Amino acid sequence: GAVVSQHPSRVICKSGTSVKIECRSLDFQATTMFWYRQFPKQSLMLMATSNEGSKATYEQGVEKDKFLINHASLTLSTLTVTSAHPEDSSFYICSARDGREVTEAFFGQGTRLTVV
Amino acid sequence: GQNIDQPTEMTATEGAIVQINCTYQTSGFNGLFWYQQHAGEAPTFLSYNVLDGLEEKGRFSSFLSRSKGYSYLLLKELQMKDSASYLCAVMDSNYQLIWGAGTKLIIKP
Repeated sequence: GAVVSQHPSRVICKSGTSVKIECRSLDFQATTMFWYRQFPKQSLMLMATSNEGSKATYEQGVEKDKFLINHASLTLSTLTVTSAHPEDSSFYICSARDGREVTEAFFGQGTRLTVV
Repeated sequence: GQNIDQPTEMTATEGAIVQINCTYQTSGFNGLFWYQQHAGEAPTFLSYNVLDGLEEKGRFSSFLSRSKGYSYLLLKELQMKDSASYLCAVMDSNYQLIWGAGTKLIIKP
């Protein structure tokens, strides 16, 4: 099956710094990528949807200036958490959809972000 | 509004069978997914139903009734490694996934 690689898997950063998370589709062209966050014992919360070459569409309540998403190529999307605070500590997961198949999305391994 | 309901937690015995239900109300329907998620890991795909009926895949089966807005995931011959959260998600008319809160399945020996 298709593979999506997310990096890093874990990151600890100081409050006020920025963290970049990468999401790569390894064997298909991802025309659409999704970024989720998940708090403990809760389901996935969609943060934003990005299409290659265009601006991301953010869900209500998600600050686009804080969570910068770049989808510059068909195989790479990045999420940058700017000026991170402890309340941003969460599990961030990306998923990617192959442009030829709209009904299935493949997940990255997730990134555990801890802001201290 | 859009809504996905599934039980919060279920307990079952190793070797037994368990059925996890999911009901949904969404704007449009382009299929229903079941994912398995172990603690601290990303979800992994289990099944996809877009037509009514039962889809069987090894120990796991998934059923869909579009008229009732209902699905279930059936797990047979339960193993300890099946302890995980099971997420139901519906793809709406905009091809966006609407997620349920997940069902935590606890398997006891």
